[in-house]
Amino acid sequence: KQEVTQIPAALSVPEGENLVLNCSFTDSAIYNLQWFRQDPGKGLTSLLLIQSSQREQTSGRLNASLDKSSGRSTLYIAASQPGDSATYLCAVPDRGSTLGRLYFGRGTQLTVWP
Amino acid sequence: GAVVSQHPSWVICKSGTSVKIECRSLDFQATTMFWYRQFPKQSLMLMATSNEGSKATYEQGVEKDKFLINHASLTLSTLTVTSAHPEDSSFYICSASGPPMNTEAFFGQGTRLTVV
Repeated sequence: KQEVTQIPAALSVPEGENLVLNCSFTDSAIYNLQWFRQDPGKGLTSLLLIQSSQREQTSGRLNASLDKSSGRSTLYIAASQPGDSATYLCAVPDRGSTLGRLYFGRGTQLTVWP
Repeated sequence: GAVVSQHPSWVICKSGTSVKIECRSLDFQATTMFWYRQFPKQSLMLMATSNEGSKATYEQGVEKDKFLINHASLTLSTLTVTSAHPEDSSFYICSASGPPMNTEAFFGQGTRLTVV
């Protein structure tokens, strides 16, 4: 069973800063890793999906890297904005599974103030 | 990406009553659906996995007689919380996967259940 840990648990920064959110997982035999955004009381928005064969994925100001061997992923957010305020979740599937069942970390709660 | 619709987005019910939550895949056939629960300040925890036309597989500690899951069609799965109690108050969210995107699951908007 996967154990997913996210650090830090919370982050509060002024607008414009570049941010680093960390995720670690215990079983490196994964097919992919996914980063989500969750707004208070809302569902999940998929941000980036990194396949195990990839080392990083980029979407706009977001860049996620994956180091399978060490069981780590990092989400970089460039030039943060107040609209980025949300909880960011990292999730990985079961060992060797492609079925879409995911194990989640507790998230990093991000607040970006103007 | 594919669209998954979950309804209702929030519900308040009296203790002892049952509540049904629907999860629909709008533009793809969801051969597998997953139901998660999230308590405040906690991570999402998988409750059960359902494959279309089969009985759901429940995670350890989840009562199958209390959380009834039906996945009778390729576009609809329902979760019924029976005889709800205040401790069942939580955020419930479904995800769905199916061909050709079997390696990715798409999430509904979630349902905030409050039992009073």
